[in-house]
Amino acid sequence: QQQVKQSPQSLIVQKGGISIINCAYENTAFDYFPWYQQFPGKGPALLIAIRPDVSEKKEGRFTISFNKSAKQFSLHIMDSQPGDSATYFCAARRSGAGSYQLTFGKGTKLSVIP
Amino acid sequence: GAGVSQTPSNKVTEKGKYVELRCDPISGHTALYWYRQSLGQGPEFLIYFQGTGAADDSGLPNDRFFAVRPEGSVSTLKIQRTERGDSAVYLCASSDRTGSYGYTFGSGTRLTVV
Repeated sequence: QQQVKQSPQSLIVQKGGISIINCAYENTAFDYFPWYQQFPGKGPALLIAIRPDVSEKKEGRFTISFNKSAKQFSLHIMDSQPGDSATYFCAARRSGAGSYQLTFGKGTKLSVIP
Repeated sequence: GAGVSQTPSNKVTEKGKYVELRCDPISGHTALYWYRQSLGQGPEFLIYFQGTGAADDSGLPNDRFFAVRPEGSVSTLKIQRTERGDSAVYLCASSDRTGSYGYTFGSGTRLTVV
């Protein structure tokens, strides 16, 4: 059972455009929702994260929007740059003692073309 | 060290052989995690250590997989009787306190079973 569904699988955006990646989750026990950026041959790197008690978080060109009732969250990359070309993963962490594992989506390969 | 170090970066082994994958976490990080990333997929949780003990090993796929962290620092993931389906990138991550949200991942070990 895939607990975090991510779309689209791939995305092509013009330089300067807005990239939008969406995720949906099923488990209401999830309490932390990070986004990771991964370049080829490298491990995922934490980009930005949100807790369900806020609806939006912005860090520079990156914004997470969170809709708790719909169990959906999304990543918006403003003014997308070729250097943003990477694979992006949404993830979710379940609350509870001893449970620190993250459940990841399948990833979105973003290509930003000049 | 400055980051999470994983060795080897690449490992090719024959079906049925035994392999060990090593992870050096960030100095002082007490929490250590192993994930497995198959081609085109997001990372999947394998095991979590807090100090020397495995606090959550619910992600280990079967008893061919085992991990240790004898001194609370370096960890070794051990795979017995390797199968072609074990081919994947094995990622290690560490964090500075139990439940800390900000994992730092290593670049992974790409295991290929032929």
